Amino acid sequence: EVQLVETGGGLVQPGNSLKLSCATSGFTFSTAWMNWIRQTPGKRLEWLAQIEDKSNNYFISYLESVKGRFTISRDDSKSSVYLQMNNLKEEDTAIYYCTSDSGEEGFDYWGQGVMVTVSS
Amino acid sequence: DVVLTQTPVAQPVTLGDQASISCRSSQSLVHSNGNTYLEWYLQKPGQSPQLLIYKVSNRFSGVPDRFIGSGSGSDFTLKISRVEPEDLGVYYCFQATHDPPTFGSGTKLEIK
Repeated sequence: EVQLVETGGGLVQPGNSLKLSCATSGFTFSTAWMNWIRQTPGKRLEWLAQIEDKSNNYFISYLESVKGRFTISRDDSKSSVYLQMNNLKEEDTAIYYCTSDSGEEGFDYWGQGVMVTVSS
Repeated sequence: DVVLTQTPVAQPVTLGDQASISCRSSQSLVHSNGNTYLEWYLQKPGQSPQLLIYKVSNRFSGVPDRFIGSGSGSDFTLKISRVEPEDLGVYYCFQATHDPPTFGSGTKLEIK
Protein backbone atom coordinates (compact mmCIF):
# COMPACT_ATOMS: atom_id res chain seq x y z
CA GLU A 1 0.00 0.00 0.00
CA VAL A 2 1.32 3.42 -0.97
CA GLN A 3 1.66 5.84 1.94
CA LEU A 4 2.86 9.43 2.17
CA VAL A 5 2.82 10.95 5.65
CA GLU A 6 3.58 14.62 6.21
CA THR A 7 4.76 15.94 9.56
CA GLY A 8 6.19 19.15 10.95
CA GLY A 9 3.29 21.55 10.61
CA GLY A 10 2.01 23.88 13.29
CA LEU A 11 1.56 27.46 14.39
CA VAL A 12 4.46 29.79 13.71
CA GLN A 13 4.96 33.55 13.88
CA PRO A 14 5.62 35.62 10.76
CA GLY A 15 9.29 35.67 9.86
CA ASN A 16 10.00 32.33 11.47
CA SER A 17 10.89 28.99 9.88
CA LEU A 18 9.41 25.52 9.67
CA LYS A 19 10.58 22.28 8.08
CA LEU A 20 8.04 19.83 6.73
CA SER A 21 8.85 16.16 6.22
CA CYS A 22 7.11 13.55 4.10
CA ALA A 23 7.88 9.91 4.77
CA THR A 24 6.83 7.49 2.05
CA SER A 25 6.45 3.76 1.53
CA GLY A 26 4.90 1.32 -0.89
CA PHE A 27 6.48 2.57 -4.11
CA THR A 28 9.94 3.02 -5.60
CA PHE A 29 10.79 6.38 -4.07
CA SER A 30 14.22 6.64 -5.69
CA THR A 31 12.75 6.95 -9.19
CA ALA A 32 9.78 9.15 -8.25
CA TRP A 33 9.63 12.88 -8.75
CA MET A 34 8.31 14.52 -5.60
CA ASN A 35 6.32 17.70 -5.14
CA TRP A 36 4.88 19.97 -2.50
CA ILE A 37 1.46 21.47 -3.14
CA ARG A 38 -0.56 23.63 -0.75
CA GLN A 39 -4.24 24.37 -0.31
CA THR A 40 -5.20 27.76 1.05
CA PRO A 41 -8.06 28.34 3.49
CA GLY A 42 -10.10 29.40 0.46
CA LYS A 43 -9.49 25.91 -1.05
CA ARG A 44 -7.22 27.15 -3.82
CA LEU A 45 -4.53 24.62 -4.79
CA GLU A 46 -1.03 25.89 -5.52
CA TRP A 47 1.96 23.87 -6.73
CA LEU A 48 5.10 24.96 -4.86
CA ALA A 49 8.12 22.87 -5.73
CA GLN A 50 9.34 19.72 -7.43
CA ILE A 51 12.50 17.62 -7.11
CA GLU A 52 13.26 15.07 -9.79
CA ASP A 53 15.11 11.79 -9.31
CA LYS A 54 18.80 10.91 -9.40
CA SER A 55 18.74 10.09 -13.10
CA ASN A 56 17.69 13.69 -13.70
CA ASN A 57 20.35 14.98 -11.32
CA TYR A 58 17.74 15.83 -8.70
CA PHE A 59 16.63 18.81 -10.79
CA ILE A 60 14.59 21.27 -8.72
CA SER A 61 11.96 23.80 -9.71
CA TYR A 62 9.98 26.29 -7.61
CA LEU A 63 6.98 28.55 -7.84
CA GLU A 64 8.49 32.00 -8.29
CA SER A 65 6.76 33.47 -5.24
CA VAL A 66 8.45 31.00 -2.86
CA LYS A 67 11.85 30.83 -4.55
CA GLY A 68 14.53 31.93 -2.12
CA ARG A 69 12.31 31.25 0.93
CA PHE A 70 11.41 27.57 0.44
CA THR A 71 13.86 24.71 -0.19
CA ILE A 72 12.85 21.23 -1.31
CA SER A 73 15.17 18.30 -0.68
CA ARG A 74 15.03 14.52 -0.56
CA ASP A 75 16.78 11.60 1.09
CA ASP A 76 16.41 8.49 -1.03
CA SER A 77 17.88 6.33 1.76
CA LYS A 78 14.92 7.34 3.94
CA SER A 79 12.32 7.53 1.14
CA SER A 80 11.55 11.02 2.35
CA VAL A 81 11.13 14.49 0.94
CA TYR A 82 11.37 17.75 2.84
CA LEU A 83 10.32 21.39 2.57
CA GLN A 84 12.30 23.97 4.49
CA MET A 85 10.26 27.15 4.76
CA ASN A 86 11.94 30.36 5.90
CA ASN A 87 10.69 33.90 6.48
CA LEU A 88 7.12 32.67 6.65
CA LYS A 89 4.27 35.07 5.89
CA GLU A 90 0.62 35.00 6.88
CA GLU A 91 -0.30 34.15 3.29
CA ASP A 92 1.68 30.90 3.64
CA THR A 93 -1.08 29.62 5.93
CA ALA A 94 -2.37 26.47 4.23
CA ILE A 95 -2.53 22.70 4.23
CA TYR A 96 0.68 21.37 2.70
CA TYR A 97 0.62 18.13 0.71
CA CYS A 98 3.49 16.08 -0.61
CA THR A 99 2.82 14.19 -3.81
CA SER A 100 4.66 11.82 -6.09
CA ASP A 101 4.60 11.88 -9.85
CA SER A 102 6.12 9.74 -12.58
CA GLY A 103 7.04 12.67 -14.76
CA GLU A 104 4.19 12.94 -17.23
CA GLU A 105 1.24 11.13 -15.69
CA GLY A 106 0.02 13.40 -12.95
CA PHE A 107 0.37 13.58 -9.18
CA ASP A 108 -0.45 9.96 -8.63
CA TYR A 109 -0.19 9.75 -4.84
CA TRP A 110 -0.88 12.36 -2.16
CA GLY A 111 -0.26 12.54 1.55
CA GLN A 112 -3.01 13.43 3.99
CA GLY A 113 -1.64 16.96 4.34
CA VAL A 114 -0.23 18.96 7.23
CA MET A 115 -1.55 22.29 8.47
CA VAL A 116 0.73 25.31 8.67
CA THR A 117 -0.60 28.44 10.33
CA VAL A 118 1.41 31.63 10.22
CA SER A 119 0.08 34.15 12.70
CA SER A 120 1.25 36.48 15.42
CA ASP B 1 0.90 32.40 -15.48
CA VAL B 2 -1.68 30.24 -17.22
CA VAL B 3 -5.18 30.78 -15.83
CA LEU B 4 -7.57 27.83 -15.87
CA THR B 5 -11.23 28.83 -15.69
CA GLN B 6 -13.61 26.13 -14.55
CA THR B 7 -17.36 26.26 -15.09
CA PRO B 8 -19.71 25.88 -13.45
CA VAL B 9 -18.57 26.74 -9.93
CA ALA B 10 -21.15 24.28 -8.60
CA GLN B 11 -22.88 21.50 -10.50
CA PRO B 12 -26.08 20.15 -8.91
CA VAL B 13 -26.73 16.65 -10.18
CA THR B 14 -29.20 13.85 -9.69
CA LEU B 15 -27.60 10.52 -8.84
CA GLY B 16 -27.51 8.38 -11.96
CA ASP B 17 -27.43 11.36 -14.31
CA GLN B 18 -24.48 12.71 -16.29
CA ALA B 19 -22.39 15.70 -15.17
CA SER B 20 -20.09 17.82 -17.26
CA ILE B 21 -17.36 20.22 -16.12
CA SER B 22 -15.51 22.66 -18.35
CA CYS B 23 -11.93 23.88 -18.01
CA ARG B 24 -10.73 26.66 -20.30
CA SER B 25 -7.12 27.80 -20.41
CA SER B 26 -5.82 31.32 -21.03
CA GLN B 27 -3.45 29.82 -23.60
CA SER B 28 -3.00 26.62 -25.53
CA LEU B 29 -1.84 23.68 -23.42
CA VAL B 30 -0.10 21.91 -26.30
CA HIS B 31 3.52 21.44 -25.27
CA SER B 32 6.35 21.84 -27.75
CA ASN B 33 6.77 18.05 -27.60
CA GLY B 34 3.22 17.60 -28.89
CA ASN B 35 1.71 16.40 -25.60
CA THR B 36 -1.05 18.22 -23.72
CA TYR B 37 -0.53 18.11 -19.98
CA LEU B 38 -4.05 18.66 -18.68
CA GLU B 39 -5.12 16.68 -15.62
CA TRP B 40 -8.23 16.30 -13.49
CA TYR B 41 -8.35 15.74 -9.74
CA LEU B 42 -11.21 15.03 -7.35
CA GLN B 43 -11.14 16.12 -3.73
CA LYS B 44 -13.76 14.27 -1.73
CA PRO B 45 -14.95 15.86 1.53
CA GLY B 46 -12.26 15.66 4.19
CA GLN B 47 -9.75 13.98 1.87
CA SER B 48 -6.69 14.87 -0.18
CA PRO B 49 -7.12 15.40 -3.91
CA GLN B 50 -6.83 12.26 -6.03
CA LEU B 51 -5.78 11.88 -9.64
CA LEU B 52 -8.49 10.95 -12.12
CA ILE B 53 -7.22 11.86 -15.60
CA TYR B 54 -3.83 12.77 -17.07
CA LYS B 55 -2.85 14.04 -20.53
CA VAL B 56 -6.42 15.08 -21.28
CA SER B 57 -8.07 11.68 -21.56
CA ASN B 58 -6.02 8.97 -19.85
CA ARG B 59 -7.65 7.47 -16.77
CA PHE B 60 -5.39 6.81 -13.78
CA SER B 61 -5.25 3.26 -12.45
CA GLY B 62 -8.52 2.21 -10.83
CA VAL B 63 -10.56 5.16 -12.10
CA PRO B 64 -13.93 3.94 -13.43
CA ASP B 65 -14.67 4.35 -17.13
CA ARG B 66 -17.59 6.58 -16.15
CA PHE B 67 -15.00 9.37 -16.06
CA ILE B 68 -14.18 10.67 -19.53
CA GLY B 69 -11.76 13.48 -20.25
CA SER B 70 -11.71 15.21 -23.60
CA GLY B 71 -10.68 18.40 -25.34
CA SER B 72 -7.76 20.02 -27.07
CA GLY B 73 -5.85 23.26 -27.27
CA SER B 74 -7.34 25.42 -24.55
CA ASP B 75 -10.79 23.87 -24.10
CA PHE B 76 -11.30 20.74 -22.01
CA THR B 77 -14.19 18.81 -20.49
CA LEU B 78 -14.63 16.15 -17.85
CA LYS B 79 -17.81 14.11 -18.18
CA ILE B 80 -19.04 11.82 -15.43
CA SER B 81 -21.76 9.46 -16.55
CA ARG B 82 -24.17 7.80 -14.12
CA VAL B 83 -23.03 9.88 -11.12
CA GLU B 84 -22.64 7.85 -7.93
CA PRO B 85 -22.51 9.11 -4.32
CA GLU B 86 -18.72 8.57 -4.15
CA ASP B 87 -18.27 11.00 -7.09
CA LEU B 88 -19.34 13.98 -5.01
CA GLY B 89 -16.73 16.56 -4.09
CA VAL B 90 -14.67 19.28 -5.76
CA TYR B 91 -13.09 18.71 -9.17
CA TYR B 92 -9.95 20.59 -10.16
CA CYS B 93 -8.27 20.79 -13.54
CA PHE B 94 -4.51 21.29 -13.64
CA GLN B 95 -1.98 22.13 -16.34
CA ALA B 96 1.67 21.16 -16.40
CA THR B 97 2.46 22.36 -19.91
CA HIS B 98 3.58 25.83 -18.94
CA ASP B 99 5.72 26.98 -16.03
CA PRO B 100 4.50 27.36 -13.35
CA PRO B 101 2.00 24.53 -13.23
CA THR B 102 -1.42 25.85 -12.22
CA PHE B 103 -4.77 24.58 -10.95
CA GLY B 104 -8.26 25.70 -11.79
CA SER B 105 -10.41 27.09 -8.99
CA GLY B 106 -12.59 24.01 -8.71
CA THR B 107 -16.11 22.81 -9.47
CA LYS B 108 -18.23 21.38 -6.69
CA LEU B 109 -20.33 18.40 -7.73
CA GLU B 110 -23.30 18.23 -5.38
CA ILE B 111 -26.62 16.49 -5.08
CA LYS B 112 -29.55 18.36 -6.61
